[in-house]
This record gives sequence, structure tokens and C-alpha cells, in this order.
Amino acid sequence: QVQLVQSGTQVKKPGASFKVSCKTSGYIFPYHFVHWVRQAPGQGLEWMGVINPDDGSTTYPRKFQERVVMTADKSTTSVYMEVSRLTSDDTAVYYCARDLYSGWARHYLDSWGQGTLVTVSP
Amino acid sequence: QSALAQPRSVSKSPGQSVTISCTGTTSDVGAYTYISWYQHHPGKAPKLIIYDVTHRPSGVPDRFSGSKSGNTASLTISGLQAEDEADYYCCSYAGRYLGVFGGGTRLTVL
Repeated sequence: QVQLVQSGTQVKKPGASFKVSCKTSGYIFPYHFVHWVRQAPGQGLEWMGVINPDDGSTTYPRKFQERVVMTADKSTTSVYMEVSRLTSDDTAVYYCARDLYSGWARHYLDSWGQGTLVTVSP
Repeated sequence: QSALAQPRSVSKSPGQSVTISCTGTTSDVGAYTYISWYQHHPGKAPKLIIYDVTHRPSGVPDRFSGSKSGNTASLTISGLQAEDEADYYCCSYAGRYLGVFGGGTRLTVL
């Protein structure tokens, strides 16, 4: 079955960076775009961007364009997201999620990782 | 992109029906049929319950249905059950691989 397994909890200082991994299995890795979504405490879901694992191309909303980098590794069927210049507003649970249809990003997130808590604190 | 507009909370009794609205613009909800809905229980990963405006993934009860008119999408849950109590989010494609979520609606089943 389709599985996405994320790396564990992190604590970072303001101004630092973090990188989360998302190991996928159970499907053909290059066929499905992978999205990253976060949820800050008491807030809603926020879309952070998407990567095409086939060619590594990415799309980020304007809010995250300068601070977020997503990468994919076909050899390990893993996707990574790095966020830099952290502030306390980046404290959140970060999720990776697979897009349902192959070859396109319709934002139908049918399989999700378990989430990774990142806390930014002095 | 600004978050799509959803009511912050709704409360209903078991057995009743509820409709949650999701209002966007002519650049997202109004422009595409790539609308999805997610059910999110605290502490768990969100679950896809509607895609392509009206389609349900296998395993999702037919009590869940979706629709769209103009810039507003809607999720209807009929025959409410206690386990339906959760946060619900809409999501729309916004062109050029961009997407946007709604602000979320907390459904309480009293």
C-alpha cells in the first residue's frame, strides 16, 4: 500500500534552518507529485509547495518562495523540504502528501505522511 | 493567494445534515473543477474525502457529497454521526500548479 513516512521531531533556534524527509513506498515514485502542507498551533492547513519527483521541478506560493526548497531523490524514493531563516511563526506540524493523479498536480492529496513537529524557540 | 473562506464552526445534532461552504475567487474555485475536501481529526493526518468537486475516494461513505456553483464549493454531510466531528478543509487548484486551502471549519456533533 502507499506509504509516506517522515523524519522525526525537531527543535530549532530562530534564524536557523530545518530539513524534513519523506520516504515514499508502494507506488511508482516519479509518477506522482508530492506536496508539503503545514499546520501551526491553532491554525488551519497551509499549502507550502509541490515537487514533481520525475524532473525535480517545484512550485512554491509567493509567501515561501525565498525560504523553502524541495528536492527529490529517485534512488531512495524520498522527498525533502528545507526551510530557512526560521521564526517562531514557523512552529508547526509539517506534512508531506502525495497527489492522487499521476503526472499532474491537481491538489488531491490522497496519502499523507504522519507529520513532523518542528518547534522554533530561542 | 488568500485562504478560501469557510465558516469557522458549525454545530449540528446526530442524524441531521450540514453544508459547509468554501468561497474563493474567479482565479481559483471559480476557474477550475479541481476542488477537494479533507477531514482532519486532531493529532491525525488529514483524509481526502472529496475530489473533482463531487467524487468520493473508495471507502468514504456516500453521506459525504460535494458541489460547486460559481466561486463557491460546498460539502454536505447527511445523517451526521459522532465520528464526523472534525475539522474540514476545502482546497482548490489556482493555476500554474499553485493551490490554496480554506481556513477550515470545526464541525461539532452535539
